[in-house]
Amino acid sequence: AQSVTQLGSHVSVSEGALVLLRCNYSSSVPPYLFWYVQYPNQGLQLLLKYTTGATLVKGINGFEAEFKKSETSFHLTKPSAHMSDAAEYFCAVSKGGRRALTFGSGTRLQVQP
Amino acid sequence: NAGVTQTPKFRVLKTGQSMTLLCAQDMNHEYMYWYRQDPGMGLRLIHYSVGEGTTAKGEVPDGYNVSRLKKQNFLLGLESAAPSQTSVYFCASSSSTTGQYGYTFGSGTRLTVV
Repeated sequence: AQSVTQLGSHVSVSEGALVLLRCNYSSSVPPYLFWYVQYPNQGLQLLLKYTTGATLVKGINGFEAEFKKSETSFHLTKPSAHMSDAAEYFCAVSKGGRRALTFGSGTRLQVQP
Repeated sequence: NAGVTQTPKFRVLKTGQSMTLLCAQDMNHEYMYWYRQDPGMGLRLIHYSVGEGTTAKGEVPDGYNVSRLKKQNFLLGLESAAPSQTSVYFCASSSSTTGQYGYTFGSGTRLTVV
């Protein structure tokens, strides 16, 4: 079985501050890992993904994430938050052979002016 | 624009009524999925399909049925709606077996059962 844990259902940062959203996974085999973003009243958009290769992955809007196998983590970061980053972020995992993503419970990011 | 289209966007049902949610994709994706989103629970897989004419149960299939008669369409049915099915429903599609290219999501259907 695989699962995804997102630490912190709500995270609040000041504009210009570092954004760190935490994601830990459990999987018996190397997984594919994803971060999605959901803006109010919209569907989910792919932010970035890790499949194979370089463990530091860059995505859209200045976000990046690092796959750390030893820590079973895939935390999402952005050096400087912008007001437009306010949204809900979901971490997801896919294991080879399983044909569906498993999502974490989500983290709502607030950006204070 | 290419993508996943869900209809309707909003619906209010009375307990016991039935309805069908339609998902259509124009990307020739083989794999399609129905998720429900509830506060604090993320997205949970209801049913999915790995190709035309095939369907399979996901994590929370009870009370729902699906059909994939055409490759581009994936229908989600509620035969007898219950208040516990009040949720936002998302359809998604993918071109890979493992989702390694990510999913393309529709904009969702907000369903309220009273």
